[in-house]
Amino acid sequence: EVQLVQSGTEVKKPGGSLKISCKTSGYIFTTYWIGWVRQMPGKGLEWMGIIYPGDSDTRYSPSFKGQVTISADKSTTTAYLQWNNLKASDTAMYYCARQALRRDRFFDYWGQGTLVTVSA
Amino acid sequence: DIQMTQSPSSLSASVGDRVTITCRASQSISNSLNWYQQKLGKAPKLLIYAASNLQSGVPSRFSGSGSGTDFTLTISSLQPEDFATYYCQQYYISPPESFGQGTRVEF
Repeated sequence: EVQLVQSGTEVKKPGGSLKISCKTSGYIFTTYWIGWVRQMPGKGLEWMGIIYPGDSDTRYSPSFKGQVTISADKSTTTAYLQWNNLKASDTAMYYCARQALRRDRFFDYWGQGTLVTVSA
Repeated sequence: DIQMTQSPSSLSASVGDRVTITCRASQSISNSLNWYQQKLGKAPKLLIYAASNLQSGVPSRFSGSGSGTDFTLTISSLQPEDFATYYCQQYYISPPESFGQGTRVEF
């Protein structure tokens, strides 16, 4: 059974650092992309970026490039989303999702989401 | 970036109604379009990929059509569990594989 299990709720202060995780199981980690999607409170879905753990090829939306870092650890089949300088505007739910390596790209399995609150 | 615009932003419907949601791309995206359903407090769920392909396990009352710039998601007979927000997503140009702003279906 394919599963993506995300780390728990975080409350951080502005200027701080944070790394959230997405632990995968039930499939070959290195043969699927993992993407990250932001959902700000009461708002829609925003595509942040994606990584292919097989070769660490990583692509960012221009809106998020330089603001976050996406990484993956093949040994633990876990993907990560990291901030070095949190802002109040980073307050959101963050989802990881799996995407197949094929011509038609879609997120077929999703994590349960990680709620990040940034507040002084 | 390709901009995806959904209409309407919200709609009210009754059980048994036929519901149609439209998604328009700012440029042609061939059939590179997915539809997701998100219920309150839950992760999105894939309904349709490549414009018209029903994801495994999704009820057949959901269907998708369109190509180029104009796409539709149709729910042939609305059920109580279909109360949710629906998003389209393009993957013709990446990054980013942008989402529409969402359409909320209310009863």
